[in-house]
Amino acid sequence: GAGVSQSPRYKVTKRGQDVALRCDPISGHVSLYWYRQALGQGPEFLTYFNYEAQQDKSGLPNDRFSAERPEGSISTLTIQRTEQRDSAMYRCASRRTSGGAGELFFGEGSRLTVL
Amino acid sequence: KNQVEQSPQSLIILEGKNCTLQCNYTVSPFSNLRWYKQDTGRGPVSLTIMTFSENTKSNGRYTATLDADTKQSSLHITASQLSDSASYICVVSDIMVTGGGNKLTFGTGTQLKVEL
Repeated sequence: GAGVSQSPRYKVTKRGQDVALRCDPISGHVSLYWYRQALGQGPEFLTYFNYEAQQDKSGLPNDRFSAERPEGSISTLTIQRTEQRDSAMYRCASRRTSGGAGELFFGEGSRLTVL
Repeated sequence: KNQVEQSPQSLIILEGKNCTLQCNYTVSPFSNLRWYKQDTGRGPVSLTIMTFSENTKSNGRYTATLDADTKQSSLHITASQLSDSASYICVVSDIMVTGGGNKLTFGTGTQLKVEL
C-alpha cells in the first residue's frame, strides 16, 4: 500500500474482551514495529519483527499481549482479557530494511478504549 | 538496559524565541539517532536522522547535534512558530550483532508549547 495502514482506527471494548489490532505495512518493508502511547505519555516500545521473525518482545507488558506476522507482511497485535490500563493509542511503523538509517514510516494508529 | 531520556519533559516558550531539547541515551552499540515531531493526535514525522559519524544536521529551523562520545543529542529550534507546538521524540537505534537488524528505543518525548 501507499502508507502504513492500521485498523481499526478506534476500538471501544469492555473489560475482559479480547481485541486484535492490525497493521498493514508498506509493501516490501522488512521491519515492523509496534508501540503504544497512553494519553499525555511518551511512546512505549512493544515488539518488532524482521520479516516474519519476532526479534524482540521485551516491551510486551505481560502475557496477555502477543503479536504475529506470519507471512512477513501484515501483523496483528492481540490483547487478551483487556483491562482498563490497556487503553492507549497503539501505533505501528515499518521500515524498508532491517538495519541502517532508513526512514521509518508510521501508521495513524489504533485508539483502544477499554471500559 | 538501553534507555533514552529526554529533557525537559515539557517546555513553554514565546513565539520567535529559540529553544533546545535534550536527549541522552545509553543504547549500545549505537547505530543512529532520529528526532521526530508529533502533533497531537497524529503520527510522528521525521525531522532528522544522524549516524555515528555525523555531528550536526539541519532541517529548516531545526538543527540536531550528536555527540556519540557522551551519548547526547540536542534539537535546537530557531525562531519558534506556533506550529512548532508538538511533542518531540528522540529515537535511538542499536546494532543487533546477531543480524536481527536494529532495535529502536523511544524516548518519552518533550512537549513543546509555543505561545504568543
